[in-house]
Amino acid sequence: GAVVSQHPSRVICKSGTSVKIECRSLDFQATTMFWYRQFPKQSLMLMATSNEGSKATYEQGVEKDKFLINHASLTLSTLTVTSAHPEDSSFYICSASPRVPVGLFGQGTRLTVV
Amino acid sequence: ELKVEQNPLFLSMQEGKNYTIYCNYSTTSDRLYWYRQDPGKSLESLFVLLSNGAVKQEGRLMASLDTKARLSTLHITAAVHDLSATYFCAVTYNNNDMRFGAGTRLTVKP
Repeated sequence: GAVVSQHPSRVICKSGTSVKIECRSLDFQATTMFWYRQFPKQSLMLMATSNEGSKATYEQGVEKDKFLINHASLTLSTLTVTSAHPEDSSFYICSASPRVPVGLFGQGTRLTVV
Repeated sequence: ELKVEQNPLFLSMQEGKNYTIYCNYSTTSDRLYWYRQDPGKSLESLFVLLSNGAVKQEGRLMASLDTKARLSTLHITAAVHDLSATYFCAVTYNNNDMRFGAGTRLTVKP
């Protein structure tokens, strides 16, 4: 069945380095994927909408140069956190929808910047 | 701007009791979702509600939607400890992006 797979599930990196998170749609094609960020004990905040073959649409207050999104195929979107700092530590979740309007979410990536 | 308000934010229940979580949203929406999130985990889809008057039930959980009132409810019947989690409602509009409520942290005590 349709699944959204996100990788890695956990990553620890040093300040100043970059981290790439992958989001794949399995058994369906996703022209649009969404990236969310969730701080502890808070709700999900939409960061950006990833569009296959075109530039991502970022929400207000989200730095485009900081959070690079690439949606190069109908089944893969990537989020790269560039020059990561401790305040970027968070839970990042991607989502996509197959034709059935389920709203599938990846497993999430817990990023810790030390 | 679409706003989604959820209440209560925290809910402590005794096992066997009933309770309702409310979700209000500010503008016309395409779809309304209910999700469950366990600590450290991603979201698990519970219900998708598409039309006015829609009611869906799964086990001890029942969700309903009133699009005229822009209100959805998640009713918990005879709560059990396994239902302890955070529950989010979310709505979609314009290009399918999804906006979330703040979440209701449910604790079911024996």
